[in-house]
Amino acid sequence: ETGVTQTPRHLVMGMTNKKSLKCEQHLGHNAMYWYKQSAKKPLELMFVYSLEERVENNSVPSRFSPECPNSSHLFLHLHTLQPEDSALYLCASSQDRGGLYGYTFGSGTRLTVV
Amino acid sequence: GDSVTQMEGPVTLSEEAFLTINCTYTATGYPSLFWYVQYPGEGLQLLLKATKADDKGSNKGFEATYRKETTSFHLEKGSVQVSDSAVYFCASASGLRGYQKVTFGTGTKLQVIP
Repeated sequence: ETGVTQTPRHLVMGMTNKKSLKCEQHLGHNAMYWYKQSAKKPLELMFVYSLEERVENNSVPSRFSPECPNSSHLFLHLHTLQPEDSALYLCASSQDRGGLYGYTFGSGTRLTVV
Repeated sequence: GDSVTQMEGPVTLSEEAFLTINCTYTATGYPSLFWYVQYPGEGLQLLLKATKADDKGSNKGFEATYRKETTSFHLEKGSVQVSDSAVYFCASASGLRGYQKVTFGTGTKLQVIP
């Protein structure tokens, strides 16, 4: 049990589908993050939420749309994805924005776009 | 900008061998430093951290010392086990508290053979 739960663990979707990834933490953390992990590439920070406010968006295409309805939940809405979007999507949380004390990661959602 | 450089992998060791994975960083100010571990099919887990120069982080037999003079944070373990096979990421967090940027290395894959 990592404290951060991501669902689903695996997702296969067509390029015209709409799906959502869910992340949940009950650690009392104030910041949540979406990262993309692709083979042979460094971890890519996508979005940062601090106290439910989006504070960072690293030039992510609009086909990825985050939502943070409260401090415990984070979603990543997906639509009209491309095959190159296939990757492991990791959610993380931290006590404060910036991760001074480190991140707690979920197990990730393995996304395959066909 | 900040950067974290790790030794290229994969690293293959026999069980009970000594492990060193090198990590150097460039950052403004005095970053916090971390090692994360990612087991197959899982997200990253915080392994250890150090927040100031000369601090030693340790966990599960792994150690790393924050060396400001060489800007390094090398990971060591005296006797590795097959269960240590994973990908290890070095990371730094620097900037104003609450606004830190976290920078990850590209990861070093460790394979321990019986």
